[in-house]
Amino acid sequence: AQKVTQAQTEISVVEKEDVTLDCVYETRDTTYYLFWYKQPPSGELVFLIRRNSFDEQNEISGRYSWNFQKSTSSFNFTITASQVVDSAVYFCALRRGTGANSKLTFGKGITLSVRP
Amino acid sequence: DAGVIQSPRHEVTEMGQEVTLRCKPISGHNSLFWYRQTMMRGLELLIYFNNNVPIDDSGMPEDRFSAKMPNASFSTLKIQPSEPRDSAVYFCASSLGREETQYFGPGTRLLVL
Repeated sequence: AQKVTQAQTEISVVEKEDVTLDCVYETRDTTYYLFWYKQPPSGELVFLIRRNSFDEQNEISGRYSWNFQKSTSSFNFTITASQVVDSAVYFCALRRGTGANSKLTFGKGITLSVRP
Repeated sequence: DAGVIQSPRHEVTEMGQEVTLRCKPISGHNSLFWYRQTMMRGLELLIYFNNNVPIDDSGMPEDRFSAKMPNASFSTLKIQPSEPRDSAVYFCASSLGREETQYFGPGTRLLVL
């Protein structure tokens, strides 16, 4: 069975602080994909990143970075120098690999509040 | 480029009424997904289509829910009769193929009184 755990439910930081959102996953598959989505107050779900299980390279995109560690089944997301516009709910998601069911299994989400 | 389009954005109806949610996937995408978001259960897949064919409908709550995809550019999710517990945000997503990234529409916020 697929499972995604986002143990942090709410995080509040002051603008310009760095913040890390944790994601731990469970799967028996050797091939799988991990995702992060952002849900701002307006409600839409915005795709941020996708990683496959064979690519453990960390990724940086502007103020965003992701740390994928298969050894600990974690795919953590760090926002550097947070801004008020980063306030949103962030979801980590897992999908099985090639040829398997395409559904996304989501974590419960982490509500991030960035105060001015 | 236009993203996934959903209509209506908001729907308020009374228990027992039929509700139809609509989705237009991104042009060229051949996989379409319907998800539901509630406070209690979070985001969960209801059904998905590949090349207009339903592949997995195991998430559809019960017979009151049905989904169709008559062509590559349109899908509907119908609830008949609706119940208060169906109140949720319903998202449609599409992807270039089953293996590709899913892009979500803005969602339909449904309230059943």
